[in-house]
Amino acid sequence: ETGVTQTPRHLVMGMTNKKSLKCEQHLGHNAMYWYKQSAKKPLELMFVYSLEERVENNSVPSRFSPECPNSSHLFLHLHTLQPEDSALYLCASSQTALRGYTFGSGTRLTVV
Amino acid sequence: QKEVEQNSGPLSVPEGAIASLNCTYSDRGSQSFFWYRQYSGKSPELIMFIYSNGDKEDGRFTAQLNKASQYVSLLIRDSQPSDSATYLCAVFGSGNTGKLIFGQGTTLQVKP
Repeated sequence: ETGVTQTPRHLVMGMTNKKSLKCEQHLGHNAMYWYKQSAKKPLELMFVYSLEERVENNSVPSRFSPECPNSSHLFLHLHTLQPEDSALYLCASSQTALRGYTFGSGTRLTVV
Repeated sequence: QKEVEQNSGPLSVPEGAIASLNCTYSDRGSQSFFWYRQYSGKSPELIMFIYSNGDKEDGRFTAQLNKASQYVSLLIRDSQPSDSATYLCAVFGSGNTGKLIFGQGTTLQVKP
């Protein structure tokens, strides 16, 4: 596979469930990002990992927990989410942001 | 003042016309500039990037950068209905933030 792969593509979960989103990049990039995109809103940066270290956490609620076990994989662990957390969650990677990001196809999350 | 500003639109143009999308940014030391296209329900796709003042052409797309005016634009010639999408402007700033700053996006509608 090439590029940035996200799974699952769609996820419906109850407010008491625990689930994880997965992102894998095959580009040899050293930085990975989680973004949230709600309907008719701009992209919201959630987390930035550079060389597997979290370098930014944009005041994201603790019900979202990122994990970056190596430079190719990024997870977003979800628990006790709220309906307002329903959104498109996008993963991206870069070698250097100076050259732009490559986005994954996203996970459409619905919290019921 | 937002760091990257775009008119949310929608911008409506007839098929075959030139669509002009504009973006202003606040960080005078910004180094690189990107245009992403995002179809409804899909992830952003990089279509153009520009680093130097002036124009950069790629097929029907031209990116224009004016650092003195802190302004970047995207021109789409011979617009097609398939160009209908939201166009996101992104900027890599002068600080060592390691991230892109995105505008809210402009929705383009090309009418047959």
